[in-house]
Amino acid sequence: DIQLTQSPSSMSASLGDRVSLTCQSSQGIGNYLSWYQHKPGKPPKPMIYYATNLADGVPSRFSGSRSGSDYSLTISSLESEDTAIYYCLQYDEYPRTFGGGTKLELK
Amino acid sequence: QVQLQQSGAELVKPGSSVKISCKASGYTFTSYDMHWIKQQPGNGLEWIGWIYPGNGNTKYNQKFNGKATLTADKSSSTAYMQLSSLTSEDSAVYFCARSGYTTDYYYVPFAYWGQGTLVTVSS
Repeated sequence: DIQLTQSPSSMSASLGDRVSLTCQSSQGIGNYLSWYQHKPGKPPKPMIYYATNLADGVPSRFSGSRSGSDYSLTISSLESEDTAIYYCLQYDEYPRTFGGGTKLELK
Repeated sequence: QVQLQQSGAELVKPGSSVKISCKASGYTFTSYDMHWIKQQPGNGLEWIGWIYPGNGNTKYNQKFNGKATLTADKSSSTAYMQLSSLTSEDSAVYFCARSGYTTDYYYVPFAYWGQGTLVTVSS
């Protein structure tokens, strides 16, 4: 199975900060990586698909990028509503696998 | 609009089985895969498998072979997941999710989610 390693596992940042979360794949998956935002008591929400594309309704302060087997989700200016756990998912191969998540909190 | 409505929370005994449902609306049920995903606190998200309601084809994460059984009822646009031989390790929130496509034909995995069903295994 493809392993996705997310870092950091948790972090805190201040309002307005630029925040970058990373996801490293154990093998090549091309751009078949997506990001989800998960808040307590709600289902995950798609944020980015195909590594760099913004999902419907997602604010433009979010962006995705790729460098080789390293993928990043960046928030250009952190807002309070962005506190959540963020997961990456690879959909290049079965079984689909998620990263372990990054918990993002406000400082 | 696409909606996935899941059945309510379940409290079940170890060794028993449970069947949870996911009723779909707002789209042609038989035209899209339905996936199931497990969420355990502290353990993140795990993909269990999918079913294609159009023909009943399934694909499972090998880890859940023998644990989860996916079915679908076309007449009621409802997908089901049965979990068997339950242990405390099966206590989790289970989500159904459907993928989608953008207007320029990009595949978006798990674009739509049910609200989740909490399964608690306890004697």
